[in-house]
Amino acid sequence: EVQLVESGGGLVQPGRSLRLSCAASGFTFDDYAMHWVRQVPGKGLEWVSGVTYNSDSIGYAAFVEGRFTISRDNAKKVLYLQMNNLRGEDTALYYCAKDVRRLRSTVNSDLEFWGQGTLVTVSS
Amino acid sequence: DIQMTQSPSSLSASVGDRITITCRASQSISTYLSWFQQKPGKAPKLLIYGASSLQSGVPSRFSGSGFGTDFTLTISSLQPEDFATYYCQQSYITPSFGQGTKLAIK
Repeated sequence: EVQLVESGGGLVQPGRSLRLSCAASGFTFDDYAMHWVRQVPGKGLEWVSGVTYNSDSIGYAAFVEGRFTISRDNAKKVLYLQMNNLRGEDTALYYCAKDVRRLRSTVNSDLEFWGQGTLVTVSS
Repeated sequence: DIQMTQSPSSLSASVGDRITITCRASQSISTYLSWFQQKPGKAPKLLIYGASSLQSGVPSRFSGSGFGTDFTLTISSLQPEDFATYYCQQSYITPSFGQGTKLAIK
């Protein structure tokens, strides 16, 4: 059974940092691109970042503006999102999601399976 | 960036109805289009990818069509569990989503 379990969310002050993790199981993690997508409660979905299976290609949404870094550890089967200089508008539920297709060489993915999310609240 | 626009933003329908949701891309995306269903408090669920390919385990009453800039999601006979919010997403370039369509019971 595919499982994606996000962690690392919480309350943080503006300008501070947070690192999110997504632990994967039930599939061959190092065969699939992985992504972070966020959702303000009650609002729509917003893609944040993605990384290919081998980390050769990485993409970010324009609003990231160099503040976030996505990475993965295929040996540990974990996806990360390092978020620096957080702003109030970054407050959201952050999901990690798995590509539907194996060995895709770009981050232009169809998002097959999603975790349950971790809530990030940026407030003083 | 590619902008995705869904219509309508909300829709009321009855069990057994046939409904269609439309998604329009700001530029051609070939068939790089997915549809998701999201229920309150739950993660999105992939229904359709490649504009018309049904994800494994998704009931056949769901179907997708389209090419280029205009796409549709059709539910042929609404069931009680289908009342949810639906999103389209393009994967032609880095992903982007439509704003969502909330499907409510009439």
